[in-house]
Amino acid sequence: GAGVSQTPSNKVTEKGKYVELRCDPISGHTALYWYRQSLGQGPEFLIYFQGTGAADDSGLPNDRFFAVRPEGSVSTLKIQRTERGDSAVYLCASSPGYGNTIYFGEGSWLTVV
Amino acid sequence: GDSVTQMEGPVTLSEEAFLTINCTYTATGYPSLFWYVQYPGEGLQLLLKATKADDKGSNKGFEATYRKETTSFHLEKGSVQVSDSAVYFCAHRPGTGGYQKVTFGTGTKLQVIP
Repeated sequence: GAGVSQTPSNKVTEKGKYVELRCDPISGHTALYWYRQSLGQGPEFLIYFQGTGAADDSGLPNDRFFAVRPEGSVSTLKIQRTERGDSAVYLCASSPGYGNTIYFGEGSWLTVV
Repeated sequence: GDSVTQMEGPVTLSEEAFLTINCTYTATGYPSLFWYVQYPGEGLQLLLKATKADDKGSNKGFEATYRKETTSFHLEKGSVQVSDSAVYFCAHRPGTGGYQKVTFGTGTKLQVIP
C-alpha cells in the first residue's frame, strides 16, 4: 500500500489478556517507530527500529511491552497481561532512514475493559 | 530532558481570522522542528518542518520560523478556513545522536467556525 498500515484498527480486550498490534510500514522504509497516544495527549515514544534491531526501546513503559521486526519490514507490538491503563491509540510510523520525515499510520485503538 | 511546550486549546476562531499557535522547546544541540496535524478520524500528517535556525517552513498557507534565540517555532496562518479544524502538534527531533526520536507536544485543538 501507499502508506503505513496498522491492524487491527480497533481492539477491545479484557484486563489480563495478551494483545498483538501489527504495523506494515511503507515499502523500502528502514526505520520504524511505535508511539502511544492517550486521550488529549501528544504521541509518546515507545520504540525505534533500524532494520531488524531495536535501536532505542527506552520508551517502553515496562516489561509487559515488547516489539519485534524479524525481517526488517512488518513489526508487531506485543502487550502481555493488559491493564486498563494501557488503553490508548498505538501509532506506528516509518521513515526512509536517518534524517528523513517520518510517516504515521492511522493507529490501532486499544481498549482494555 | 528534551521537551516541547505548546499553548493549550481549544482555540476557536472565525473563518478568515489570523491564527497563531505558540510552541517552545528545550533541546541540546540543533534540533529539527516540526508541526504535525491530525484531522478528525485521520492519522498524523506532517504539515511543515524546519531543520536549522532561521529556516521558515511553510505548507497550505501555514508558516513557522525556527527561532533559536527564543527556542520557539510558532505556527501561523493569515486566514483560516473551516477545513483547518484539527489538532496541531509541535514536535522536535534531536540534532545530535544516532537516531530520530521525535518528541511531541500535547497538541492544540483548533476549531474554525463559519
